Amino acid sequence: SFELTQSPSVSVAPGDTARISCGGDEIGTVRVNWYQQKPGQSPLLVLYHDVYRPSGIPERFSGSNSWDTATLIISRVEAGDEADYYCLVWDTESVHWVFGGGTKLTV
Amino acid sequence: VQLAESGGGVVQPGRSLRLSCAASGITLIPFHWVRQAPGKGLEWIASMSSDGNNEYHADSVKGRFIVSRDNSRKTLFLQMNSLRGEDTALYYCAGDRGGGPFEDWGQGTLVTVSS
Repeated sequence: SFELTQSPSVSVAPGDTARISCGGDEIGTVRVNWYQQKPGQSPLLVLYHDVYRPSGIPERFSGSNSWDTATLIISRVEAGDEADYYCLVWDTESVHWVFGGGTKLTV
Repeated sequence: VQLAESGGGVVQPGRSLRLSCAASGITLIPFHWVRQAPGKGLEWIASMSSDGNNEYHADSVKGRFIVSRDNSRKTLFLQMNSLRGEDTALYYCAGDRGGGPFEDWGQGTLVTVSS
C-alpha cells in the first residue's frame, strides 16, 4: 500500500515561494489532495486532484504531481499561511485513504 | 455541508463508545472519519459511500470500529469497540461535497481512553 513521505518542516520568508513535497512510489499515477491545518482548527482542503483549488482558496496555491513526488506550491507566502500541510491519496490496491505525515510551514 | 460530531468522552480500555456526526445541507454524499492523536498528524479511519453500500476501514481499527450511516437522520456513526490507549484522539468526520475529497469537516470530538 501507499506510504507518503513529507518533510517535517519547511521555512520561508514572507513573499517567497514555499514548496511542500509529498513523496511516494509512483505517486504521479494517483490524484493528490492537500489540506491546511492551523493550530486549534479543523483541516481545510486547499488543493484537490493535484491542481484544482476549491472556491475561496487563493490562486497563490498551486500544485504539481509527477513520478515519485507531488508538490504543493504556495507563492507570495503570507504570515497567515503558517500551518501544517498534509497530502492525501486514495490507494486503489488497499482501498484505503492514506495521509502523509504532515509538514509544518513556518513563515 | 455542516458537520457536527458528538459522543466523545473518557472511556476505560476495552470499553465501547459510539460517535455521531450530524450533517446538514447536502447529505447524500460519501463521509469519512479521521482522527488526530494529541500532537500528531491526521489518520484516516473509515469511509462510507453515499448509499451506505460500501464501507472501508483502516487496518488499525478493522474488526474493532464500524462505520455506518442513517440517511433518514442525516447522521454518520462510528461504533468503537475494544478501545485502546492509542485510540485517544480528536475524531473528525468529513464529507465529499462534489469537489475534492474530505471537502467539509466538523470540529471534532475528543476521545480519551484511560483507566
